Amino acid sequence: QVQLQQSGPGLVKPSQTLSLTCAISGDSVSSNSAAWNWIRQSPSRGLEWLGRTYYRSKWNNDYAISVKSRITINPDTSKNQFSLQLKSVTPEDTAVYFCAREEAGSGSFEYWGQGTLVTVSS
Amino acid sequence: QSALTQPPSASGSPGQSVTISCTGTSSDVGGYNSVSWYQQHPGKAPKLIISEVSKWPSGVPDRFSGSKSGNTASLTVSGLQAEDEADYYCGSYAGSHAGSHSWVFGGGTKLTVL
Repeated sequence: QVQLQQSGPGLVKPSQTLSLTCAISGDSVSSNSAAWNWIRQSPSRGLEWLGRTYYRSKWNNDYAISVKSRITINPDTSKNQFSLQLKSVTPEDTAVYFCAREEAGSGSFEYWGQGTLVTVSS
Repeated sequence: QSALTQPPSASGSPGQSVTISCTGTSSDVGGYNSVSWYQQHPGKAPKLIISEVSKWPSGVPDRFSGSKSGNTASLTVSGLQAEDEADYYCGSYAGSHAGSHSWVFGGGTKLTVL
């Protein structure tokens, strides 16, 4: 059974960088049959896919166009986890952030982290 | 504004069936068999209940069923039970843009069991 455990601060100041980590148990971040995603949810934007990292002979990333200039998702194989960094945040980035595992080829997200409410405020 | 369109609310009595629609375009719902449905209870993470248009993940009862016609996908909940009261979201693979794959979601439908 795959489990995802999120960690990171719940309050970030405007213009700073939002950083979250998702620790994986029951699977490997280097799995060739999975991709590791970040998704956020807010009342104004609903569910919004942000990006993913995955390993297929080499590391790959995909990012949503809406955040492409500000986002980085990195794997950490030594700790079997992956991270989200979102730069230059504004109050519009206030949301519940989820990490999620996608089974390769399914296009669906079967395992989710518990969610982290991140508020952008001074 | 979400990329996929869902009705904001739906309702039904226990034992009845309810269908929730999810309308996209030929660039997402209509273009791929990668439509998924999620159930979300308040304060919880979404739970996958249908993948690849009509497949059941392990442990999901077959009271939940999915289908697709053109650019519209549908989720049917049969034999409504009180615990089915939740928010339901559709999601779809949305192709590759400038070399990067992407996904989109619907705005969600609040299902009330009367």
